[in-house]
Amino acid sequence: EAQVTQNPRYLITVTGKKLTVTCSQNMNHEYMSWYRQDPGLGLRQIYYSMNVEVTDKGDVPEGYKVSRKEKRNFPLILESPSPNQTSLYFCASSLFSGNQPQHFGDGTRLSIL
Amino acid sequence: ILNVEQSPQSLHVQEGDSTNFTCSFPSSNFYALHWYRWETAKSPEALFVMTLNGDEKKKGRISATLNTKEGYSYLYIKGSQPEDSATYLCAHSGAGSYQLTFGKGTKLSVIP
Repeated sequence: EAQVTQNPRYLITVTGKKLTVTCSQNMNHEYMSWYRQDPGLGLRQIYYSMNVEVTDKGDVPEGYKVSRKEKRNFPLILESPSPNQTSLYFCASSLFSGNQPQHFGDGTRLSIL
Repeated sequence: ILNVEQSPQSLHVQEGDSTNFTCSFPSSNFYALHWYRWETAKSPEALFVMTLNGDEKKKGRISATLNTKEGYSYLYIKGSQPEDSATYLCAHSGAGSYQLTFGKGTKLSVIP
């Protein structure tokens, strides 16, 4: 089954404790992206990747890192999480950027205390 | 950051009514316009991706139109059903950009 898998689905942690949210897709998509969703602000793009080893900042990259060492995986890293990073996070992938529909993962709800 | 605006923010319609909502985006440097349907406690699902001025797409009772010259797209739902209740998102991609910018969505509630 074609899917985008995120883990964990839920996480409560404390300020400053490094965490990684994994994202994996099995559709051989080139483009992958991370979004955060906050009430009243909609989906905002954090980082995106056009292909292996090619990543770039979205609209809200501060406090996040990503890597794309393999085509299928695109982890989101919070080196020193802070409470303002409490949010619902989505990973998405598409065959190419721009004119292809995004396939979303089920989301990860992060709470930083 | 490119501004993508959606209106209305929310609306309530009776079952069987037809409805439509708007997505506005920068008309310069256009590449593609996406529509997604997002049900509560689920993840967004793609409805349409449109790239050409005058494009019209249809999926069952839902259709969309695109005007790239004036920078807007309409989403129409004919004969709304309770299962159409969801937030409808549009997203814009500019030429030469790999970014996708989402609007804040229109939340539709269909009353049985």
